[in-house]
Amino acid sequence: EAQVTQNPRYLITVTGKKLTVTCSQNMNHEYMSWYRQDPGLGLRQIYYSMNVEVTDKGDVPEGYKVSRKEKRNFPLILESPSPNQTSLYFCASTTSNEQFFGPGTRLTVL
Amino acid sequence: KQEVTQIPAALSVPEGENLVLNCSFTDSAIYNLQWFRQDPGKGLTSLLLIQSSQREQTSGRLNASLDKSSGRSTLYIAASQPGDSATYLCASFSSNTGKLIFGQGTTLQVKP
Repeated sequence: EAQVTQNPRYLITVTGKKLTVTCSQNMNHEYMSWYRQDPGLGLRQIYYSMNVEVTDKGDVPEGYKVSRKEKRNFPLILESPSPNQTSLYFCASTTSNEQFFGPGTRLTVL
Repeated sequence: KQEVTQIPAALSVPEGENLVLNCSFTDSAIYNLQWFRQDPGKGLTSLLLIQSSQREQTSGRLNASLDKSSGRSTLYIAASQPGDSATYLCASFSSNTGKLIFGQGTTLQVKP
């Protein structure tokens, strides 16, 4: 079954404690991306990757890092999380046509 | 800057009504437009995707249209049901930037 998985699904952490949200897809897609969703602001792209070792900033990259060492995985790294990064995060994997989204990770930074 | 706007932000209808959700976009180099459904606290489910060369796509009670010249797309839901209650998001995918830009969504409530 084609799918995008994210872990963890829920995370509560404290300011400054580094964390990683993993994303994996089994569709051999080259293009992957991360979004955050906030009330009143909708979905905004954080980072995207067009292939292995190729990443670029989206619209709201500040405070985030990503890596793409292999095609199937695209982790999102928060080196020093802050409360304004409390949000619902989605990973997506894309063909030339269609986007497939993961189930989301709800992050709370205290 | 590319923008996607959805009107209305919220809509409440009685069960059985036909309804139209609107989406407008500013990207003149749109590659495709996609409609998603999102249930509260859940992920996004793709409903329909329309390529820039197409005018419409249909899936069951759903029909999506695309008019590139006017920068508009509509999602038509026939014979609405309470199970259709959700937030509907449209997103334009740009062939120039490779970015997917989302509207803020229309939250639909279908009352029994």
